[in-house]
Amino acid sequence: AQTVTQSQPEMSVQEAETVTLSCTYDTSESDYYLFWYKQPPSRQMILVIRQEAYKQQNATENRFSVNFQKAAKSFSLKISDSQLGDAAMYFCASKNSGNTPLVFGKGTRLSVIA
Amino acid sequence: GAVVSQHPSRVICKSGTSVKIECRSLDFQATTMFWYRQFPKQSLMLMATSNEGSKATYEQGVEKDKFLINHASLTLSTLTVTSAHPEDSSFYICSAPSRDGGGQETQYFGPGTRLLVL
Repeated sequence: AQTVTQSQPEMSVQEAETVTLSCTYDTSESDYYLFWYKQPPSRQMILVIRQEAYKQQNATENRFSVNFQKAAKSFSLKISDSQLGDAAMYFCASKNSGNTPLVFGKGTRLSVIA
Repeated sequence: GAVVSQHPSRVICKSGTSVKIECRSLDFQATTMFWYRQFPKQSLMLMATSNEGSKATYEQGVEKDKFLINHASLTLSTLTVTSAHPEDSSFYICSAPSRDGGGQETQYFGPGTRLLVL
């Protein structure tokens, strides 16, 4: 069974600074995907970034990047130049290949301080 | 990207009544859809997998007779909470897997339905 662990219930960052959210996972599959989703107060799930397990290169999306350590089963999210709009719940998730569901971590609530 | 809609966005009902929530993929076909439940200050928990043309599969601890799922077409799945009770009050979210413009697997989420049972 897949498990995803987020050990930081809450984090805060100064506006324009950088913050890293931690995530570890466990899976017995060799073909899987990892995701970070943002959930603002509206509760709409917004995809932030995705990483295919077979790719060694860390994914990046503008100010968001990941540090994917496959051997350690670690998948952290780095947010650079933090903005007030980044404040939200962030969920790390994994899924196996194919039409399979996501398995979510417990989430990290990020506050951005002006 | 692909769009998934849910209706209604929020519903308040009396204890003992049934509530139907619809999940539609608007611009793509989804043979599979997933239903999640999210209690306040908690994460999303998978309830069931909805399969077009066949029975849904439920996660352990989810009562299939209470949470009826019907995947009537390639773009519509419905979740009916039967004889709802206050403990069923929650945020229900559906998602559908597809591939984005780059061919990458992803999941598209509906905006969710907030259910309050009085």
